Amino acid sequence: NAGVTQTPKFRILKIGQSMTLQCTQDMNHNYMYWYRQDPGMGLKLIYYSVGAGITDKGEVPNGYNVSRSTTEDFPLRLELAAPSQTSVYFCASTTLNDGTEAFFGQGTRLTVV
Amino acid sequence: AQTVTQSQPEMSVQEAETVTLSCTYDTSENNYYLFWYKQPPSRQMILVIRQEAYKQQNATENRFSVNFQKAAKSFSLKISDSQLGDTAMYFCAFMKHKGAGGSQGNLIFGKGTKLSVKP
Repeated sequence: NAGVTQTPKFRILKIGQSMTLQCTQDMNHNYMYWYRQDPGMGLKLIYYSVGAGITDKGEVPNGYNVSRSTTEDFPLRLELAAPSQTSVYFCASTTLNDGTEAFFGQGTRLTVV
Repeated sequence: AQTVTQSQPEMSVQEAETVTLSCTYDTSENNYYLFWYKQPPSRQMILVIRQEAYKQQNATENRFSVNFQKAAKSFSLKISDSQLGDTAMYFCAFMKHKGAGGSQGNLIFGKGTKLSVKP
C-alpha cells in the first residue's frame, strides 16, 4: 500500500515557466488537498477536492490550478512560476470518516529563480 | 475563522526528560478535532496524536499525551522519556468535525515548534 505519492521531490523552475506537481493516492479517499509550507510557517491550504470532478479554492489559491478527473489523482498546476511560489508543497488525502487521519505525501521542494 | 497559535518557536530537552509543547486555538465550533503532527528532517508529516473535542478524556499514545482544555481552547503535547528520534518540528492542527457546516476536512496549522532532543 503506497499511500500518497508525490512527484517530483525536488524541482528548480525559472520565472515564467510552468509545471505540474503530481499526486496520487491508492486508498480510495474522496478528499484530497494541496498545501504549501513556507519557511517558519505552518501549512496553508491551496486547493482541495471532495471527489472526482469537484475542486475548490483554499486559503492561498492564486497562481495555481487543479483538476480531479479520477479519485486517485489530484495534480497541481503552476502556470507562470514566480519567486513567491518557492515553497514545499504537500498533497494529502482523507476519508472524513471517524478517525479522520490525513495522509500526506513526502512533499515537493520547489525553487523558482 | 479558526486560528491555531503555537507560542514556542523552539524548545530543547535532554534525552529521557519530559517536555511540553503549547498550542492554543480559536473557534466558534463545538465539534472538532485537534492533532499534533511531527515533521522530522525527512519532511514527512507524521500524525502523533489526535483528540476529538467531544471526548473529555485526554488522548495518549505511548510516550505522547495531551492536555486538552476545551473551555480555555488549549491543547498541549507532553512527550515523556524524550528520545533523540523525537527531534523534529511539531505542528498543532485543527479540523472541523465532518458534521459541521462547511467542513471539508482541511487542517488549519500553527506555525510549529522546533524541538531538539539533546544527548
